[in-house]
Amino acid sequence: NAGVMQNPRHLVRRRGQEARLRCSPMKGHSHVYWYRQLPEEGLKFMVYLQKENIIDESGMPKERFSAEFPKEGPSILRIQQVVRGDSAAYFCASSDRGHSSSMNTEAFFGQGTRLTVV
Amino acid sequence: GQNIDQPTEMTATEGAIVQINCTYQTSGFNGLFWYQQHAGEAPTFLSYNVLDGLEEKGRFSSFLSRSKGYSYLLLKELQMKDSASYLCAVWDTNAGKSTFGDGTTLTVKP
Repeated sequence: NAGVMQNPRHLVRRRGQEARLRCSPMKGHSHVYWYRQLPEEGLKFMVYLQKENIIDESGMPKERFSAEFPKEGPSILRIQQVVRGDSAAYFCASSDRGHSSSMNTEAFFGQGTRLTVV
Repeated sequence: GQNIDQPTEMTATEGAIVQINCTYQTSGFNGLFWYQQHAGEAPTFLSYNVLDGLEEKGRFSSFLSRSKGYSYLLLKELQMKDSASYLCAVWDTNAGKSTFGDGTTLTVKP
């Protein structure tokens, strides 16, 4: 049973290019969370998705950032026209329960994608 | 909204005991997690508390007081490999997501 898979592990983009980060949740998990982590800082929530639906995108910048979790395939975090400040580690986590659950379970994290904008 | 506070850095000696505190304010509390994160790696789950009291798991224990909005992670018999960042996260059932503190970087010295 593979864990949460993120790819690529490392991504280098020039300013103005697009970055696409992929996350395949654990088998059986339908809830995906994306977090951003700047050096020496904690995880900052970006967006919470359930299959084909964005549940909460309150932590995601309104411009240049978008996320999707299609019925088939991985969840994608897209950053358009990247800037130096987008350089960070982006972690994806998945769980088998989400908003409607009264008893939470742990979320499992992928290894992250380290984005460097040059 | 949510507010989670934990110390930025702590240092302890190999073989000793260290307690990492976490205080939180949240509107719909439904559990508190502790994660360990080594530099450059993904966070890994350590513990989950939803009821008051102490949960013990080997060298690691986690305590929760819901009335005080307070938790701590206790690490015993410290080893060098315990040097890592320890993240406190609170699950808000109203928001349907976890909010993380900025983490406590623990350095274990010989």
